[in-house]
Amino acid sequence: GAVVSQHPSWVICKSGTSVKIECRSLDFQATTMFWYRQFPKQSLMLMATSNEGSKATYEQGVEKDKFLINHASLTLSTLTVTSAHPEDSSFYICSARDPRGTTEAFFGQGTRLTVV
Amino acid sequence: AQSVTQLGSHVSVSEGALVLLRCNYSSSVPPYLFWYVQYPNQGLQLLLKYTSAATLVKGINGFEAEFKKSETSFHLTKPSAHMSDAAEYFCAVNTNAGKSTFGDGTTLTVKP
Repeated sequence: GAVVSQHPSWVICKSGTSVKIECRSLDFQATTMFWYRQFPKQSLMLMATSNEGSKATYEQGVEKDKFLINHASLTLSTLTVTSAHPEDSSFYICSARDPRGTTEAFFGQGTRLTVV
Repeated sequence: AQSVTQLGSHVSVSEGALVLLRCNYSSSVPPYLFWYVQYPNQGLQLLLKYTSAATLVKGINGFEAEFKKSETSFHLTKPSAHMSDAAEYFCAVNTNAGKSTFGDGTTLTVKP
């Protein structure tokens, strides 16, 4: 199947700093990518839809100024957590659908963010 | 809007026993349904998917699921549990664009 690569797999940052997470589709082009967040012992919740060449669409309750999404090419979307705080510590995971295939979403490996 | 409901946040079985994890969906259009497994501190691994080709879907590691439209269900089963099956399991429904809506998850415990 198609491959989505996410980097880094884990990151520790200090409170108040910003962290960038990359999501790449390695063998297909994705006009749309999705970003999810998973708190411990909880399910995955959609944060935003990343659209190539246009603004991201954020889910209700997700601060767009805090979670900056850039989808500048058909194979790369980035999520920047700005002014991170301990409550932003979570597992972030991206996904994309191969337009040549079915509706199956291919997920990145996820990024474990810890803010200290 | 599409949604899935996983009945039972925790399921415990003995090694060798039948595994049954329940998932019911709500969708106004034919759904695209998936089951994923997540081991601690890891990402998602696709177990199987229903995309309307066949109602009984076989997946990896001996798992299978049956799509029942009349019951709006897509329950996951495995005839004989292994210790290595202990993990978190998520049912999900996708839109045509690939956006996933997940159930709350079911933690499977396998007792020796």
